[in-house]
Amino acid sequence: QKEVEQDPGPLSVPEGAIVSLNCTYSNSAFQYFMWYRQYSRKGPELLMYTYSSGNKEDGRFTAQVDKSSKYISLFIRDSQPSDSATYLCAMNPKTGFQKLVFGTGTRLLVSP
Amino acid sequence: GAVVSQHPSRVICKSGTSVKIECRSLDFQATTMFWYRQFPKQSLMLMATSNEGSKATYEQGVEKDKFLINHASLTLSTLTVTSAHPEDSSFYICSATDRGFGIASETQYFGPGTRLLVL
Repeated sequence: QKEVEQDPGPLSVPEGAIVSLNCTYSNSAFQYFMWYRQYSRKGPELLMYTYSSGNKEDGRFTAQVDKSSKYISLFIRDSQPSDSATYLCAMNPKTGFQKLVFGTGTRLLVSP
Repeated sequence: GAVVSQHPSRVICKSGTSVKIECRSLDFQATTMFWYRQFPKQSLMLMATSNEGSKATYEQGVEKDKFLINHASLTLSTLTVTSAHPEDSSFYICSATDRGFGIASETQYFGPGTRLLVL
């Protein structure tokens, strides 16, 4: 079993839809959680980072962490065609331990 | 802030030659830099972790003599693919973590990647 599981998609939605992207993990030691967006042939771009359980909002993006269920989510409101990309979740267990464990990425397609 | 650059963005070389890729943190000092490899439609594969002034730590299965990493300063790391072969063709991405403390030191900032094609 992989440490981090993420559905590869593709996930196709119409413009304006609310998108929900998810990852599950098995290591209860994970404390720091990140979401990256990667456009084709580009490096990943950090979107959100959170520590422990709870929600964090930034514009159209909301990151949610449920440590009891070992489940994290990224919600995108009012999705746009420019949101079409691969979204990678990443996590690591503790301060100073900087090696991230990545999900495989979910490919999102937002059609106009 | 937290900008990482890579050079070159793409390179085509003949089999048997060596290729050097540079990774720079432009507006922060990088405690640690990481080198990844990514095949089409696949996730990132960590190759090595590099701390300034010390030897890189390679992941299992990565040949350290083939993929030479030098981290000479807090803003520059280089990856040299020695005697490159067609199977080394891939997308190579570096990332860096901020020297600062707190949650930011756990996040990695990625460069734009270098596409290597070995003929």
